[in-house]
Parts: sequence; structure tokens; C-alpha cells
Amino acid sequence: GAGVSQTPSNKVTEKGKYVELRCDPISGHTALYWYRQSLGQGPEFLIYFQGTGAADDSGLPNDRFFAVRPEGSVSTLKIQRTERGDSAVYLCASSLNSGETQYFGPGTRLLVL
Amino acid sequence: AQTVTQSQPEMSVQEAETVTLSCTYDTSENNYYLFWYKQPPSRQMILVIRQEAYKQQNATENRFSVNFQKAAKSFSLKISDSQLGDTAMYFCASPHSGNTPLVFGKGTRLSVIA
Repeated sequence: GAGVSQTPSNKVTEKGKYVELRCDPISGHTALYWYRQSLGQGPEFLIYFQGTGAADDSGLPNDRFFAVRPEGSVSTLKIQRTERGDSAVYLCASSLNSGETQYFGPGTRLLVL
Repeated sequence: AQTVTQSQPEMSVQEAETVTLSCTYDTSENNYYLFWYKQPPSRQMILVIRQEAYKQQNATENRFSVNFQKAAKSFSLKISDSQLGDTAMYFCASPHSGNTPLVFGKGTRLSVIA
């Protein structure tokens, strides 16, 4: 079946703008994760969902970042008032159940000018 | 805070040779998984191998195997018969808490040379 997909592949925006990044998990996977990867670093955890609810959002850097998963499938990461420091690759992963192997999407590269 | 340390920022290996990438981790979990992921320039994170901490036997997937030392919290990856397509960043990952989410190391950039 299809893997995890993310749209858009690349996003360029201006400082202060609002952006939405979308993740489509593998069908049937109940857990969904968002990570952020800065240049030359490993991915860093942002938030994860078990079903529709955010089970752990301790990695969100501040209140400009928010994520939803209203029907327990597709998730959207929302960033308000973007800053240049938000520039990174945003990775989404899903797993069949919480704690199981995570499969990653290709990421969205966000560039804030 | 949980940490994962990959002490080799870059490594190179001749095609067909064997290379070992190091990883140490720190977790308070008793039963957990450990992972190696590969990230080629396309930036897609690809699962290479998974180890279950309660299993004493080291995991093996074709040319990839691990040396898991639970007491030492060490989890190295051995790549045998290296191929040009193995050139990529390799990340070791261990659980943050409750087996999810993952904490990643900074990665090792592996170059396979013809």
C-alpha cells in the first residue's frame, strides 16, 4: 500500500505569514508523529497523536505551533507568525499503534524568508 | 532528558568492505525498541533495522546487523559488503518515554567509495 505522504514538498513563505503542512499517514495507522529536522541535525520530536487526540505535545517549541488530526487520519501542522528560525524540514511518521515502528514521509522543506 | 549519541560525524568505506557505526543511548524504559534509519539525499527516512531490548539475539536484516549491548546501552550498526547505494546519513533512535516518540542522534554521514 501507499506510504506516508506529505504536502507540499517545499514551502517558501515570508516572515510573519501563516503556513499549514499536511500529512497523510499509512492507512490504518493509529499513531501519527511530527518531527522537525534542522540542517545537519537529527529529527526532533514536536507532537504525536494517538487517534484524534494529541497524546504528547511537549516538543512544540511555542504557542505559534499547533497540530490537529480531527478524524484520526490526516494531520495538519499549523505555524502562525512564522519566523526565520522555523526554517527546517518537517517530517511526519505513522505507526500501526503507539510504540511500534514508525514509518516516515518524505518531509516538507519550509523556508521562511 | 533522554539522549542518543553518535560519536562519528562522518565515515567512509570501500565498496564491498564492512563498516560499523556506533551509537549509545540513555533511556529509563525497561522494555523498548531501538532503531537505525537511513536518510539519503532525497531526505526520506528509511527504516534499516529494529532491535527489541528484551531480545538477547542481535537483529539481522540481510547485510545489516546490530551489536546490542543492553547493560552498556550501546547499539552499533554493522554493514557488510557495502554498496554505493548505502551512501547516506544514518540515524540511531531510541524511545523518549513510553516507547514513543523517538529521540534521534545527530547522525553519521557514510560514504561508500568505489
